[in-house]
Amino acid sequence: GNSVTQMEGPVTLSEEAFLTINCTYTATGYPSLFWYVQYPGEGLQLLLKATKADDKGSNKGFEATYRKETTSFHLEKGSVQVSDSAVYFCALFYGGSEKLVFGKGTKLTVNP
Amino acid sequence: DAGITQSPRHKVTETGTPVTLRCHQTENHRYMYWYRQDPGHGLRLIHYSYGVKDTDKGEVSDGYSVSRSKTEDFLLTLESATSSQTSVYFCAISVQTSGASYNEQFFGPGTRLTVL
Repeated sequence: GNSVTQMEGPVTLSEEAFLTINCTYTATGYPSLFWYVQYPGEGLQLLLKATKADDKGSNKGFEATYRKETTSFHLEKGSVQVSDSAVYFCALFYGGSEKLVFGKGTKLTVNP
Repeated sequence: DAGITQSPRHKVTETGTPVTLRCHQTENHRYMYWYRQDPGHGLRLIHYSYGVKDTDKGEVSDGYSVSRSKTEDFLLTLESATSSQTSVYFCAISVQTSGASYNEQFFGPGTRLTVL
């Protein structure tokens, strides 16, 4: 079946450090891929997306590239800020089901 | 925030009591979802709806029922709450972008439920 595996963390970094959160997926066909972010006390919000192989999604300095050959969608940011502290979820959407499949989330804490 | 509200935002109840959570949207989107969020499990789909009176089960539907009598409201009911249902519950809607191959989901602010 369709599934998402992401690095569980927690991840603790100092401000301005480089961030990578790994995400791999298993899916039939060609899913769309997403990263969602959840700030403390809030619901999830879409951070970035990619809908086909080699697409790069980007937003707020975060990037992720849809790699079909490695079935991966790793999230990266070159220089994290304290305000990036949140839980990050990788997810896939497969057409026809109208459902998202989420990874378990990775908690990021950025210290000043 | 896509006009999604959830009520109540916090609830404490006792084992064995029925509980109903409400999700309300203002934009008449067809698809609505209920998830629960637990440490170590991420988000898991409980039930979803694809129209008035049209609902289906998700991966963790046991002990939950849903109803959708009008487009804007999607109710989640715990018939007899148990401590294992202590969780944060999120409602979501799915918004289809014209010409896109995906639907974007927007989430409500969540309901924190504690079952004692």
